[in-house]
Amino acid sequence: GNSVTQMEGPVTLSEEAFLTINCTYTATGYPSLFWYVQYPGEGLQLLLKATKADDKGSNKGFEATYRKETTSFHLEKGSVQVSDSAVYFCALRGPLDSNYQLIWGAGTKLIIKP
Amino acid sequence: EAQVTQNPRYLITVTGKKLTVTCSQNMNHEYMSWYRQDPGLGLRQIYYSMNVEVTDKGDVPEGYKVSRKEKRNFPLILESPSPNQTSLYFCASSFGGATGELFFGEGSRLTVL
Repeated sequence: GNSVTQMEGPVTLSEEAFLTINCTYTATGYPSLFWYVQYPGEGLQLLLKATKADDKGSNKGFEATYRKETTSFHLEKGSVQVSDSAVYFCALRGPLDSNYQLIWGAGTKLIIKP
Repeated sequence: EAQVTQNPRYLITVTGKKLTVTCSQNMNHEYMSWYRQDPGLGLRQIYYSMNVEVTDKGDVPEGYKVSRKEKRNFPLILESPSPNQTSLYFCASSFGGATGELFFGEGSRLTVL
């Protein structure tokens, strides 16, 4: 079945450091891929998405590229800020899923120190 | 403002005392879902609804009930709560489709003593 694996946290970085959070997936066909972010005390919100191979999703300085050949969707940001501290979830939705169900990674907690 | 509203945000209750967590969305979304979030386990889907009067089990439905009598509302019912249902609960909604964005409520933290 479909699955998502993302790197375990917490990930601790200094402000202005480069960020990568790894996400790999297993799925049949061409799923849609998502990154959601959960700020402390809040619900999740969509950060970015990509719906076909080689698409790049981007938002708020974050980017992720849909790599079919490596089944990956790694999240990157060139210079993180303290306000980026949050939990990040990678997720996929299979093209054949008639119930729109999302398959979630376990989440990666990101801590940015000033 | 487009939003998903959950109530209550925080609740402490005792084993066996029935409770309902309400969820309402104002975006005319057809799809709604309930998740629970537990440390180390990520998000797990409890129930979902594709439209009014259409509900189905997710990954962890035991001990929960839902109903979808109106498009905007999707309450989560715990008929006889137990301590293992202590968790952070999220309601979410979407227009649906393979690429549709999920909109989440702010969460309801439930403690069952």
